[in-house]
Amino acid sequence: DAKTTQPTSMDCAEGRAANLPCNHSTISGNEYVYWYRQIHSQGPQYIIHGLKNNETNEMASLIITEDRKSSTLILPHATLRDTAVYYCIVRPGAGSYQLTFGKGTKLSVIP
Amino acid sequence: DGGITQSPKYLFRKEGQNVTLSCEQNLNHDAMYWYRQDPGQGLRLIYYSQIVNDFQKGDIAEGYSVSREKKESFPLTVTSAQKNPTAFYLCASSSTGQSYEQYFGPGTRLTVT
Repeated sequence: DAKTTQPTSMDCAEGRAANLPCNHSTISGNEYVYWYRQIHSQGPQYIIHGLKNNETNEMASLIITEDRKSSTLILPHATLRDTAVYYCIVRPGAGSYQLTFGKGTKLSVIP
Repeated sequence: DGGITQSPKYLFRKEGQNVTLSCEQNLNHDAMYWYRQDPGQGLRLIYYSQIVNDFQKGDIAEGYSVSREKKESFPLTVTSAQKNPTAFYLCASSSTGQSYEQYFGPGTRLTVT
């Protein structure tokens, strides 16, 4: 599976957009980019995923570069409840069900 | 409500004892997973099952065992052979196919002394 690189930590002011980068320069053509987050002492929560196109749902937007070597998760209006560790994961398509979690980015939303 | 339940939330055991962690899902998912998380670390896959009566080892299966007799249930046994069993254990489930997401339970924090 492709390896991902994320900053260890980031701060964001409440109400502002939080932009979390992820580098996955060795990604293959059939690998998806997934984002999860984990609030302290809880199970991870799925946020969004994409293959090539940008994606948006009620929680966030996912911007994938044209060469697919990096992506950015955008939380449009961060709240204190968005304080969590955010994991960027690359996973092959059909036939592989494993998710490999790195250490993620600790996002702190500041009042 | 649909979801994944894990029980208990906190579990304490003496060294040398086997302990079984429960995981139940009512999402009608075929696949289920067990992960371990140590403080300040990401999740590591212990075992996964894509279908009833079948399961595969993950990255850190030594000292653990599982069973999948029912679609809804995927219990994990932490045996006395696991050298460092104290950790946060997370169960997840998903559908199978090209693109899917895993849904996680609330976790069980196991402390072995």
